[in-house]
Amino acid sequence: GAGVSQSPRYKVAKRGQDVALRCDPISGHVSLFWYQQALGQGPEFLTYFQNEAQLDKSGLPSDRFFAERPEGSVSTLKIQRTQQEDSAVYLCASSQGRGSPLHFGNGTRLTVT
Amino acid sequence: GESVGLHLPTLSVQEGDNSIINCAYSNSASDYFIWYKQESGKGPQFIIDIRSNMDKRQGQRVTVLLNKTVKHLSLQIAATQPGDSAVYFCAEKDSGGGADGLTFGKGTHLIIQP
Repeated sequence: GAGVSQSPRYKVAKRGQDVALRCDPISGHVSLFWYQQALGQGPEFLTYFQNEAQLDKSGLPSDRFFAERPEGSVSTLKIQRTQQEDSAVYLCASSQGRGSPLHFGNGTRLTVT
Repeated sequence: GESVGLHLPTLSVQEGDNSIINCAYSNSASDYFIWYKQESGKGPQFIIDIRSNMDKRQGQRVTVLLNKTVKHLSLQIAATQPGDSAVYFCAEKDSGGGADGLTFGKGTHLIIQP
């Protein structure tokens, strides 16, 4: 079956631009996560949804980062007024629920110039 | 603060040998541990998991060992193959956490020598 799908695969933005990153989770997975992975580092938690409810956004680095999952399926991570330090791979993962393994997409590589 | 980390950033092994990748964690409240494999340009791929009520779990060619006394986790890969070349991350979940979010270590790069 289809795994977690993320688009675009690569995104180059000029500093100050807004970007939107999309995640299509595995069908039926209630839990959805966004992670940020800097080069040579492990993924770092950004935010978590259970269905359409955003239960944890403690990892979002600033108020320029915003995530939504309005219908409990597809999710969008939006970054406003991008900065160079936002350059990273943004990973989306989904799971069946508490205690189930996370299944990751291949990420969106964001480069801010 | 408490974190999950790895002992070695790079591990080089001969093809056919067994590989052992180690991970130390410091959060005593962690009750669920996962090993992920990440190939270049891809997302982390689930390998095997273990809960804190177990000390060993086996999969296909992989074994995870958990030593809660010294807060140590290891991944053993039998008969390492070229396709095993990747970065391996351990991740842990705090039983007291409100979400399912995992905390990842920095990763070990496994290099297979022909």
